[in-house]
Amino acid sequence: KAGVTQTPRYLIKTRGQQVTLSCSPISGHRSVSWYQQTPGQGLQFLFEYFSETQRNKGNFPGRFSGRQFSNSRSEMNVSTLELGDSALYLCASSLAGNNSPLHFGNGTRLTVT
Amino acid sequence: DQQVKQNSPSLSVQEGRISILNCDYTNSMFDYFLWYKKYPAEGPTFLISISSIKDKNEDGRFTVFLNKSAKHLSLHIVPSQPGDSAVYFCAAPRGGNTPLVFGKGTRLSVIA
Repeated sequence: KAGVTQTPRYLIKTRGQQVTLSCSPISGHRSVSWYQQTPGQGLQFLFEYFSETQRNKGNFPGRFSGRQFSNSRSEMNVSTLELGDSALYLCASSLAGNNSPLHFGNGTRLTVT
Repeated sequence: DQQVKQNSPSLSVQEGRISILNCDYTNSMFDYFLWYKKYPAEGPTFLISISSIKDKNEDGRFTVFLNKSAKHLSLHIVPSQPGDSAVYFCAAPRGGNTPLVFGKGTRLSVIA
């Protein structure tokens, strides 16, 4: 069974630009969550989608948005990039959320210059 | 508000000895806990979990202990191996269909 796939693996963008990251969950998983990892801050929750609906949202500004498609694939978008947005963005899928363990992709490393 | 806290950012252990990673939580409503391991350039992988109805769960070299009265859990790795060198995160769901809350992680270095 293929794991969670995130593309691209690396991105370099300039301040003010926007970026779209993609995530393909494990087949059959309907919940997709996004996390931001920065040094010293651990994993900060961005949002979770279940059956194309945003079910949960973390404390990030509106510049961060996402969506989920009918095949459970998900994208997240960051507009008007800031230097502080440089981070590893991790996508995770699970069967139904709740106590189902999350299965993470290898992440997209975003660098904003 | 850091509901799950890992107060040791790093830990160094000799190969073959026991590694003990600690995690404290503040929300007494948490009833399920998970540990994840993360290697550089990879996503975290699920390691072991424990429900609040238990105080211990064992899987091979990995054992998680839960002390509900102290709101504390620990992950024991015995014996530690160089391949265990990674960042370890503890996590808990806030209940219902809410996402996992993660600690900031502890970097374990196992020295041969």
